[in-house]
Amino acid sequence: AQSVTQPDIHITVSEGASLELRCNYSYGATPYLFWYVQSPGQGLQLLLKYFSGDTLVQGIKGFEAEFKRSQSSFNLRKPSVHWSDAAEYFCAVGTTYMDTGRRALTFGSGTRLQVQP
Amino acid sequence: DGGITQSPKYLFRKEGQNVTLSCEQNLNHDAMYWYRQDPGQGLRLIYYSQIVNDFQKGDIAEGYSVSREKKESFPLTVTSAQKNPTAFYLCASSPSIAGNYEQYFGPGTRLTVT
Repeated sequence: AQSVTQPDIHITVSEGASLELRCNYSYGATPYLFWYVQSPGQGLQLLLKYFSGDTLVQGIKGFEAEFKRSQSSFNLRKPSVHWSDAAEYFCAVGTTYMDTGRRALTFGSGTRLQVQP
Repeated sequence: DGGITQSPKYLFRKEGQNVTLSCEQNLNHDAMYWYRQDPGQGLRLIYYSQIVNDFQKGDIAEGYSVSREKKESFPLTVTSAQKNPTAFYLCASSPSIAGNYEQYFGPGTRLTVT
């Protein structure tokens, strides 16, 4: 079964510092990968996605992620963090159930980002 | 403005009562989903619907029920059989169940049962 691991439960960075959130997945074929962000008490907003092609994908709010097949990783990065980036970040992989053809998202457990002034 | 609405934002119930959470979308999406979110955990799928009048159990369906009588609406009922109903509930939709996996999420409903 497909799975997603986000090894860091909680990360604290200073405003203006760079950020990297880690995501590892297990999937046999070429994965469909997503990063979502959730502000406290809110729904999830899509930051970026990778389906194929260029392994470095750009998203909203200045975020980018790099797909590395050899490492089964899809880490999220931002060169300079803003206080408004404090939120929870979820990595997800698209999963296909072979018996029904249903497509679903499998989520990691999330990384909570705290930004220090 | 297209999107997904969930109401209410906060819901309080006494133990033993059924409660229904609303989810409406005007994106003209075929597929809709209900997730449960608990602190420190990812999202867990409760139910999903591919098309009107059809729905399937997800990973944690016990104690929940749904209906899909209209394309734009997918209400979730948390029954008294759900042993630990206090959680944050998220509704989502996608153009098709066989599409590119991308899902759009509503703002969520926080249910507290005491």
